[in-house]
Amino acid sequence: GAVVSQHPSRVICKSGTSVKIECRSLDFQATTMFWYRQFPKQSLMLMATSNEGSKATYEQGVEKDKFLINHASLTLSTLTVTSAHPEDSSFYICSAAGWGRGAEAFFGQGTRLTVV
Amino acid sequence: AQSVTQLGSHVSVSEGALVLLRCNYSSSVPPYLFWYVQYPNQGLQLLLKYTTGATLVKGINGFEAEFKKSETSFHLTKPSAHMSDAAEYFCAFNSGGYQKVTFGTGTKLQVIP
Repeated sequence: GAVVSQHPSRVICKSGTSVKIECRSLDFQATTMFWYRQFPKQSLMLMATSNEGSKATYEQGVEKDKFLINHASLTLSTLTVTSAHPEDSSFYICSAAGWGRGAEAFFGQGTRLTVV
Repeated sequence: AQSVTQLGSHVSVSEGALVLLRCNYSSSVPPYLFWYVQYPNQGLQLLLKYTTGATLVKGINGFEAEFKKSETSFHLTKPSAHMSDAAEYFCAFNSGGYQKVTFGTGTKLQVIP
């Protein structure tokens, strides 16, 4: 399968600071990328969908000014958590879909964010 | 609305016993169905997927699932559980292409020695 790399795998930041998470498709062009959030012992909830070169589409209830998503190239999407607070602590996972990859979206390994 | 439902948030089996994790879907369009496994503090690993064609799908680690349209089900099975199978399993769905994946609530599998 295709490879999606997510970085960093773990990050601890102070409350009020911003954190950027990168999601890269290493061996295919990702026309669409998805960002998910997973609360402890819960399922994955879609936060937003981004298409290369376009503004992200956010799910209902997700603050677009807090979770900034950029998908400037076919291999890179970034999620920036701005002015992070402890309640933003969570596991964030990206996935990527692209031409020739059929129905499957390929997932990164996730980022564990802890805000202290 | 399109969705997947996983029956049972926790399933316990003895080592060597049959594993059966249940998933039902609701969709107005032909579904693409997936099973993912997640180990603690890790990302998702695809076990298997159904898109079109053969309804019995074989995946990694000895898992398989059967798409049953009449029952709107996609249950995951493994003939003999190993200790290493203990993890959380997610059934997931999308309608193909570049569509978002919708996840079930997950089933935590415990394997008892």
